[in-house]
Amino acid sequence: DGGITQSPKYLFRKEGQNVTLSCEQNLNHDAMYWYRQDPGQGLRLIYYSQIVNDFQKGDIAEGYSVSREKKESFPLTVTSAQKNPTAFYLCASSIGTRYQETQYFGPGTRLLVL
Amino acid sequence: GESVGLHLPTLSVQEGDNSIINCAYSNSASDYFIWYKQESGKGPQFIIDIRSNMDKRQGQRVTVLLNKTVKHLSLQIAATQPGDSAVYFCAEMAPSGNTPLVFGKGTRLSVIA
Repeated sequence: DGGITQSPKYLFRKEGQNVTLSCEQNLNHDAMYWYRQDPGQGLRLIYYSQIVNDFQKGDIAEGYSVSREKKESFPLTVTSAQKNPTAFYLCASSIGTRYQETQYFGPGTRLLVL
Repeated sequence: GESVGLHLPTLSVQEGDNSIINCAYSNSASDYFIWYKQESGKGPQFIIDIRSNMDKRQGQRVTVLLNKTVKHLSLQIAATQPGDSAVYFCAEMAPSGNTPLVFGKGTRLSVIA
C-alpha cells in the first residue's frame, strides 16, 4: 500500500531530552512537510523540504531540526530548546510540482512531556 | 479519542440535512484551495480542491464554492451522515513558486442522529 507512515503514535519526552519523530512515504513525492497542531488552532508549519538535501524553515522552526537525506524520509527532531513541545505532530507530502500541490497527511504523532 | 481542537467554531446539524462550512481566506493572490477533514486523533484527509479559475466544483456529496471577490470559500455536504462528524479545515496556496499551504483554524461539524 502506498502512503505516509509516522512513528511512534505516542512519544514521551523528559526535560532536556531530544526526541526524533519518524516520517516515511512511498508515494515517490518530492516535497515533505512537518506541522504542529495544538488544541483550538489550525496546523502550523515547522519545516518543509522540496527536494532531497534541501529544506526550509516554516513559521515555527525554533527548537526543531530536520534532515532530508533520502527522498522517502523526513525525520523531525524536537530539541531541548523547544520549551513547549506537547502537541500533535503531522507529516505530509506532495508531488511538489506546480498544479500537483495537494498534500497528503500521515496519521500523526502525539508528543507528551513527562 | 483525543481532541484536535477545544475551542473551534462548531456547527451542529441533524442527520440527513445539508451542511455548509465557511472559510474566509487571507491572501487575495491565492489561486489554489483545499478542504480537509480531520477525525479525532487522526491526520487530515483530502476532501476536495478548487483552483481560482473556477467558482464551483462538485465531488461525491460535497461541493466547494469559491467567491474571490470577498475571499470566501465554502464546503457543502449533502445529506450529512454521522460519519461526517469531524473538524474541517480549508487551506490556501499562493502562486509564487511551490509555497506551502496555509491552513485556517478549522470548524467542528457535529452530526446529531
